[in-house]
Amino acid sequence: GAVVSQHPSWVICKSGTSVKIECRSLDFQATTMFWYRQFPKQSLMLMATSNEGSKATYEQGVEKDKFLINHASLTLSTLTVTSAHPEDSSFYICSARDRPNQETQYFGPGTRLLVL
Amino acid sequence: GQQVMQIPQYQHVQEGEDFTTYCNSSTTLSNIQWYKQRPGGHPVFLIQLVKSGEVKKQKRLTFQFGEAKKNSSLHITATQTTDVGTYFCAGDGGNKLTFGTGTQLKVEL
Repeated sequence: GAVVSQHPSWVICKSGTSVKIECRSLDFQATTMFWYRQFPKQSLMLMATSNEGSKATYEQGVEKDKFLINHASLTLSTLTVTSAHPEDSSFYICSARDRPNQETQYFGPGTRLLVL
Repeated sequence: GQQVMQIPQYQHVQEGEDFTTYCNSSTTLSNIQWYKQRPGGHPVFLIQLVKSGEVKKQKRLTFQFGEAKKNSSLHITATQTTDVGTYFCAGDGGNKLTFGTGTQLKVEL
């Protein structure tokens, strides 16, 4: 089956620093990747949809200047949390579709971010 | 925007008891997916339902999609400790998934 990896799995950083999270599709090309955020005991909330070679589409309420998304290739999307603050501490999960209009999404293992 | 609610929020059962979680969408869905997330883990895809009234089974798990394609249910027969986790439905109303609020299942021996 399709495999999606994320790096790093854990990151602890100081307030004010920027953190980059990578999402890779290992055995397939992903034209579309999705970034979710999950706070403890809560559901997954879609942050943005990332399309290869074009600008990401952000959900309402998500600051595009704070959460920079780059989808430069068919196997890699990155999420950069700029000037991170403690309230950005969360579980960030990416997913990918292996075919256009394919409904199933394959999820990465997630990245836990703790901002001190 | 689209909202997907699940009930109950939590469920504690004794091992061997049955469990059901219900999912309701504010809008009609093109399909619905179910995911399981173990504590500390990431969501794992279980199944996708597409047709109105569709019923699918996976061993002890039975999934149902409502006739109006706005609700769904997941039923687990004779729960086991390995069933512990949070079960999410996710509605596909277009190009993106909207996850339900989730039902956390705890199974006690």
